[in-house]
Amino acid sequence: DAKTTQPNSMESNEEEPVHLPCNHSTISGTDYIHWYRQLPSQGPEYVIHGLTSNVNNRMASLAIAEDRKSSTLILHRATLRDAAVYYCILRVGGGNKLTFGTGTQLKVEL
Amino acid sequence: DSGVTQTPKHLITATGQRVTLRCSPRSGDLSVYWYQQSLDQGLQFLIQYYNGEERAKGNILERFSAQQFPDLHSELNLSSLELGDSALYFCASSVDVGTTNTGELFFGEGSRLTVL
Repeated sequence: DAKTTQPNSMESNEEEPVHLPCNHSTISGTDYIHWYRQLPSQGPEYVIHGLTSNVNNRMASLAIAEDRKSSTLILHRATLRDAAVYYCILRVGGGNKLTFGTGTQLKVEL
Repeated sequence: DSGVTQTPKHLITATGQRVTLRCSPRSGDLSVYWYQQSLDQGLQFLIQYYNGEERAKGNILERFSAQQFPDLHSELNLSSLELGDSALYFCASSVDVGTTNTGELFFGEGSRLTVL
């Protein structure tokens, strides 16, 4: 499975934007970029996904580099409830098996 | 609420024992996935079933087995338990495995297994 690299942790202040980076230099043309998050004591939760174009949904935005070797998850206004581990995952086209890495622990402070 | 139900939520047992974890997927979802999350290994994919058939296999030990029943619920059987099997076991479900869907997995709240 193609690998992703994320910072171990990041900090943000409440109501400020957060940019969570992910490197995936070995991505192939059919790999989708998925983001999940895991809040304390809960199962992972889908956030957003994309293939080539930038994507927006009610939770976040996903900015994908033109060469697709990196992407950034953008939380427009972080809240305390956004404190979680964020996982950047490559989903091989045609399959649903997700291989989770270590993710980024996001801390949000008042 | 993801719609995926896992039982039991907590389970404490002894080494050498056998346990069964149960998962009911979201209504309409045909695929079920099992993941193990321990402190030192993170989230590890174990196995996937689609409509009763094994579809993908990950780092599942030979002491572990799973199946998906005609009503689409799934069970993960863990036998000859060792201390290192203590972990959170998550079940997830999705609509199918085709390229036409979003690939979104819906996770349950997990079953916490403690082996003493």
